[in-house]
Amino acid sequence: SQQGEEDPQALSIQEGENATMNCSYKTSINNLQWYRQNSGRGLVHLILIRSNEREKHSGRLRVTLDTSKKSSSLLITASRAADTASYFCALTGNQFYFGTGTSLTVIP
Amino acid sequence: EPEVTQTPSHQVTQMGQEVILRCVPISNHLYFYWYRQILGQKVEFLVSFYNNEISEKSEIFDDQFSVERPDGSNFTLKIRSTKLEDSAMYFCASSNQWGPEAFFGQGTRLTVV
Repeated sequence: SQQGEEDPQALSIQEGENATMNCSYKTSINNLQWYRQNSGRGLVHLILIRSNEREKHSGRLRVTLDTSKKSSSLLITASRAADTASYFCALTGNQFYFGTGTSLTVIP
Repeated sequence: EPEVTQTPSHQVTQMGQEVILRCVPISNHLYFYWYRQILGQKVEFLVSFYNNEISEKSEIFDDQFSVERPDGSNFTLKIRSTKLEDSAMYFCASSNQWGPEAFFGQGTRLTVV
């Protein structure tokens, strides 16, 4: 399967803590993206990391990519209640392959 | 900020009826996609479209589905004879390059009764 697999499937943390989500995949990729989806809403693009990059930052987000291990992690620092959502990694080759997502709950 | 817009946000239809889901991609984008997400499941690729033709489609995208770019701005997904299992959130996306960052619409929730 070319789909990413995120873990954990669900994560619950206190506001202010950091949240780490992981994505593993099986095939080679051109790049990997992380998306957020609030319940019942659309997908919001968070960050793209290319296959030749190892780490990328965007605000409170930090993404790493280890192509030798075929894995990526998304770190959200100093989490807020508004970060409560599902987070998906998407592998991009000729199309997007979404994982099953990590459901993050940030408790105020 | 440019965005992909989808209409309607929610559509209820009877089984066997035809539905057309509409999308307005970002204006300078050339690649268009439809995805769907059955409630509680992962987002699944349906079809990609470029240069007025389908580039790639998944096994989900059978003869009941079709896509069209009827004018310079709209991109539509038609389901000819809806089934109960077509109930899902349908997302349109567009990008200005093949593969990298795509922008997704807010989705159309289709409920087939």
